[in-house]
Amino acid sequence: EVQLVESGGGLAQPGGSLRLSCAASGFTFSSYSMSWVRQAPGKGLEWVSGLRGSGGNTYYADSVKGRFTISRDSSKNTLYLQMNSLRAEDTAVYYCTKEGVEKPFDPWGQGTLVTVSS
Amino acid sequence: SYVLTQPPSVSVAPGETATITCGGNTIGSKSVHWYQQKPGQAPVLVIYNDNNRPSGIPERFSGSNSGNTATLTISRVEAGDEADYYCQVWDSSSDHVVFGGGTKLTVL
Repeated sequence: EVQLVESGGGLAQPGGSLRLSCAASGFTFSSYSMSWVRQAPGKGLEWVSGLRGSGGNTYYADSVKGRFTISRDSSKNTLYLQMNSLRAEDTAVYYCTKEGVEKPFDPWGQGTLVTVSS
Repeated sequence: SYVLTQPPSVSVAPGETATITCGGNTIGSKSVHWYQQKPGQAPVLVIYNDNNRPSGIPERFSGSNSGNTATLTISRVEAGDEADYYCQVWDSSSDHVVFGGGTKLTVL
């Protein structure tokens, strides 16, 4: 069974940084694309970033490009999202998902809440 | 940038058929995926590549895609189908994932 467990969310100040982690199990982690999708309180889904399984190409939404970095450690079966220069509008639940990048998102983790506020 | 347009809400009585649309320029040339999200829960894939159901998704869920509109159809709607539904595509011209704004399905 595929499992994705996010961690690292919390309260950050505007301009600050956070690193989200996603521990993956139940599949060959290095072979699949992985992605982050977020959902602001009461709002819809917003794609954040994707990392292709083969080749390692990365993709970013315009709203986070230059501030966020997606990466993976295949030895630890873990996906990361380094978030710098955080803004209030980055406040959201962040979901880790398997695939994306030309494939559907399936499954999704339970999400981790990031709050950016002074 | 590519835009997907969904109606904000759809209401249907139990046992009837719910139709949720997703509009986009020549969306028929793209692969469309649909997600169901219940309150307080993570989204779940219900239809992928226009009209395919993942294992565990009831046959009542079906999809179609042609021209400028993709459609999610839920037959014999049940109270448990009440949720937000999102369509999604990959826009190869921008290498971006695009989500529709979501449709809240209310079962009367």
